Amino acid sequence: RKEVEQDPGPFNVPEGATVAFNCTYSNSASQSFFWYRQDCRKEPKLLMSVYSSGNEDGRFTAQLNRASQYISLLIRDSKLSDSATYLCVVNLSGGSYIPTFGRGTSLIVHP
Amino acid sequence: GAGVSQSPSNKVTEKGKDVELRCDPISGHTALYWYRQSLGQGLEFLIYFQGNSAPDKSGLPSDRFSAERTGGSVSTLTIQRTQQEDSAVYLCASSADYEQYFGPGTRLTVT
Repeated sequence: RKEVEQDPGPFNVPEGATVAFNCTYSNSASQSFFWYRQDCRKEPKLLMSVYSSGNEDGRFTAQLNRASQYISLLIRDSKLSDSATYLCVVNLSGGSYIPTFGRGTSLIVHP
Repeated sequence: GAGVSQSPSNKVTEKGKDVELRCDPISGHTALYWYRQSLGQGLEFLIYFQGNSAPDKSGLPSDRFSAERTGGSVSTLTIQRTQQEDSAVYLCASSADYEQYFGPGTRLTVT
């Protein structure tokens, strides 16, 4: 099993749709979780941290399920500008500052 | 404030030559990371610096790769005797805690 695993997609959705991605991780001791966004030929940018209680930022909601060892990202009311690759990032070992990046999930939002 | 900067933005070099890539992290960030990303691939961790501690070099692919960080700030990644398989985007990130902020990257092409 890969340490951090994501469905590569692409997820092809119309504007206004709701779309959700999951990311599974292998180490139950993992402490820190993040979602990054990467546009084509650009650097990754932090989208949001994922807290145990879940968190929401506008149209974006992130959740952590420790029992099943996955995190999720929900995007509501998709915009064309949401088209990007979404990277799941996990600090696999408790206290480790070296994160493991998933390969990313590609999202394409079309008119 | 200023983000992470990297130079050069693009570098074309001949096989066998040495190259130096530079990263200026966000002021005050004690952690600095180097990654590389080949076309269509995920991020590959190379090396991690934290304050004055010895760097974690566990991701360096060969002894042709080395990095240093002077004065706890600027970092240089050096690749000796470049090979065609070294062609990739080299990304630097800095962090004050677990959240990383990336520079725009250096696109290295080895001909």
